[in-house]
Amino acid sequence: DSGVTQTPKHLITATGQRVTLRCSPRSGDLSVYWYQQSLDQGLQFLIQYYNGEERAKGNILERFSAQQFPDLHSELNLSSLELGDSALYFCASSVARSTDTQYFGPGTRLTVL
Amino acid sequence: SQQGEEDPQALSIQEGENATMNCSYKTSINNLQWYRQNSGRGLVHLILIRSNEREKHSGRLRVTLDTSKKSSSLLITASRAADTASYFCATVKTSYDKVIFGPGTSLSVIP
Repeated sequence: DSGVTQTPKHLITATGQRVTLRCSPRSGDLSVYWYQQSLDQGLQFLIQYYNGEERAKGNILERFSAQQFPDLHSELNLSSLELGDSALYFCASSVARSTDTQYFGPGTRLTVL
Repeated sequence: SQQGEEDPQALSIQEGENATMNCSYKTSINNLQWYRQNSGRGLVHLILIRSNEREKHSGRLRVTLDTSKKSSSLLITASRAADTASYFCATVKTSYDKVIFGPGTSLSVIP
């Protein structure tokens, strides 16, 4: 158990819908990262937050957005969902802003029908 | 394009044998990390090696880094069935940069 929690574990929804994925980092970790893992794209970095502020952006679509709250938990919002958004979404956390060891959550499996 | 590329894509060995996975990358890096992922689960950090280091050990794991060849290798000695997983290398260009993961090597250890 990494200490990073993600909810929900599974999510099934329809195209065009909007969903919110939630992540609670390890106690004391200030950085939160979001990743998308699919068979065809592999593990893709989406975005990083550090202590409430956006710090790095990867291949995140405009339909996706994220935020980190004062209690350091983070949410990833996915809207206008398409079939191709079906994937595993991982959250990871680390102590500092620098990208050293990251601790990954168990992931949320999103299925878009 | 991806920064790191693992080789081979898949590896099958007998329990007790050593497993070697390689990672090549394209640009200079601050550090390189190896992660393990059991099927459908979250990644687990194994080891981090910085650009000024050449070799690191952690238990049965040995990682080498050759910055002149832009490559790294992960050696798992005396493999066990529980080592069956996907292994990813991840590179970081600067200490505050994003982590870029390679496509991974799928390791099967046959009991």
